[in-house]
Amino acid sequence: GAGVSQTPSNKVTEKGKYVELRCDPISGHTALYWYRQSLGQGPEFLIYFQGTGAADDSGLPNDRFFAVRPEGSVSTLKIQRTERGDSAVYLCASSLWGGDTEAFFGQGTRLTVV
Amino acid sequence: GQQVMQIPQYQHVQEGEDFTTYCNSSTTLSNIQWYKQRPGGHPVFLIQLVKSGEVKKQKRLTFQFGEAKKNSSLHITATQTTDVGTYFCAGRKGAQKLVFGQGTRLTINP
Repeated sequence: GAGVSQTPSNKVTEKGKYVELRCDPISGHTALYWYRQSLGQGPEFLIYFQGTGAADDSGLPNDRFFAVRPEGSVSTLKIQRTERGDSAVYLCASSLWGGDTEAFFGQGTRLTVV
Repeated sequence: GQQVMQIPQYQHVQEGEDFTTYCNSSTTLSNIQWYKQRPGGHPVFLIQLVKSGEVKKQKRLTFQFGEAKKNSSLHITATQTTDVGTYFCAGRKGAQKLVFGQGTRLTINP
């Protein structure tokens, strides 16, 4: 596609529910990143995929968070038993490959846990 | 782990004044990237610096990478209202994750 697409753009869920956030990267980009951004803060790294595999998942805050990229393209970030503290904008970015190529960000999914 | 610190957190200037934001890493970086995020928007890539001591210019923006590849700066000359936004540096070590600073939010009095 023309850019990185994230769906949904907004998600309101109740505490304790399960949510899935989807990211469609730019076609041909092998690297894919998930970040979380709270108001007034910089993007906080969650996980980085190179192809289908998670090259670095050290930013996932706990085992309620999980992400997959089964075919090396679309990625899904899954959050179980959501908590109010999970509320944030979840940003996805892709780049041609890792290393020193620029990252293109999607518009983000604003998650609100009530 | 790798940390990237950015100062100041906020900067308010009169239109036409200069603006500088500074970025410091706890570890030596392979490269550093700068992004701009407009209010309500997503980060947009501005530039990447790779070499020690590198200086790059984009019109009124000047980007520098320190000799030790642990710090960087972005300087805007004669700010305009279109420069409003939050500027982030993001550092990478090798082929590892891209770590963002907290950003400097620039507001401008027209």
